[in-house]
Amino acid sequence: EIVLTQSPATLSLSPGERATLSCRASQSVSSYLAWYQQKPGQAPRLLIYDASNRATGIPARFSGSGSGTDFTLTISSLEPEDFAVYYCQQRSNWIFTFGPGTKVDIK
Amino acid sequence: EVQLVESGGGLVQPGGSLRLSCAASGFTFSSYSMNWVRQAPGKGLEWVSYISSSSSTIYYADSVKGRFTISRDNAKNSLYLQMNSLRDEDTAVYYCARGKLGSYEAFDIWGQGTMVTVSS
Repeated sequence: EIVLTQSPATLSLSPGERATLSCRASQSVSSYLAWYQQKPGQAPRLLIYDASNRATGIPARFSGSGSGTDFTLTISSLEPEDFAVYYCQQRSNWIFTFGPGTKVDIK
Repeated sequence: EVQLVESGGGLVQPGGSLRLSCAASGFTFSSYSMNWVRQAPGKGLEWVSYISSSSSTIYYADSVKGRFTISRDNAKNSLYLQMNSLRDEDTAVYYCARGKLGSYEAFDIWGQGTMVTVSS
């Protein structure tokens, strides 16, 4: 089973700052990696799929990059509504796995 | 409006059973794969099960294999999860999530979730 590791666990930033979140896979997942945002009491929301494609309605300040085992989600300039938990997720054959999440909170 | 609405959660004793439902609307349900994903209180996301659009392919996480059964009724635009032999560690919010067309891994629409509590 492929294990996803996310870093850092918590990222404390101010609105307007750039956020860089990392997701590392224990073996190659090609470009089959997605990113989700989750706010307290809400369902996750798809941000990025296939490593670098923004989902419908996602603002351009969100971008994804990487392939193989190392992936990055970048939020170019944090808006107040961006403070949340972010998860990466992959599929390998018949198993889907999520990373443990990175919490982006207000500094 | 594209929507998924889960129901059927509640309190159940260890060893008991529960059946979750997910009602889909606003899209052609029969064209999409579907999944169940759960989240224990204060924890991260855990994928539970996958079913293809025609029900021909089904996958389970090892943690639920042999105890949970996923199914769907395309005529009723509904997804189900039959949960048997429930354990304390199955306590979680259960989400149904739609597989994104054209993507191998992503889930593009999620329901609001239904809470399952396993406790004596």
